[in-house]
Amino acid sequence: AQSVTQPDIHITVSEGASLELRCNYSYGATPYLFWYVQSPGQGLQLLLKYFSGDTLVQGIKGFEAEFKRSQSSFNLRKPSVHWSDAAEYFCAVGNTGFQKLVFGTGTRLLVSP
Amino acid sequence: GAVVSQHPSRVICKSGTSVKIECRSLDFQATTMFWYRQFPKQSLMLMATSNEGSKATYEQGVEKDKFLINHASLTLSTLTVTSAHPEDSSFYICSASSGFRSSTDTQYFGPGTRLTVL
Repeated sequence: AQSVTQPDIHITVSEGASLELRCNYSYGATPYLFWYVQSPGQGLQLLLKYFSGDTLVQGIKGFEAEFKRSQSSFNLRKPSVHWSDAAEYFCAVGNTGFQKLVFGTGTRLLVSP
Repeated sequence: GAVVSQHPSRVICKSGTSVKIECRSLDFQATTMFWYRQFPKQSLMLMATSNEGSKATYEQGVEKDKFLINHASLTLSTLTVTSAHPEDSSFYICSASSGFRSSTDTQYFGPGTRLTVL
């Protein structure tokens, strides 16, 4: 069965510092991987996705993620965090882009001044 | 980009009443729509998948008679919470996909509906 683990419930980062959010997945075939961001009371916005090809994926808002098959990981990174990045981040896996997704439990990012 | 809307954004109702939530794809035809439920500080749990013109497929543990889903057109799906009770209070999010054109097609999420049952 598909599953996604986001081991960090909360992370606090100083504004301007770098960020890495961890995501590990369990999937029997080639996974389709996603990172979404959710601001308070809002729906989900797609940050980036990996389907195939280059394992380093660039997304919106300066985010990137690297797919590492050997580690079953798809960690999200940003070199310099802005206060507006404070939100909940969800990693998800699916067998295609348009079929049902399995989400991780999310990581809440707090940005300190 | 693809836009999905939900209406209403928030609703408060009395216990025992029914509430209908609409999910619309504004600029594309959604072959498939998904309904998720999100409890406070938790992840999204898929409730059901609906394909236009077909009966919805419910996930295990989701009562199909309680959560009625209709996907009558390629741009509209509705979720009706029947005889709502306080434990149904939650954040309901829909997503839509044009689906089946390509495995790389992506789901687009609506902004969510906050349901509070008194």
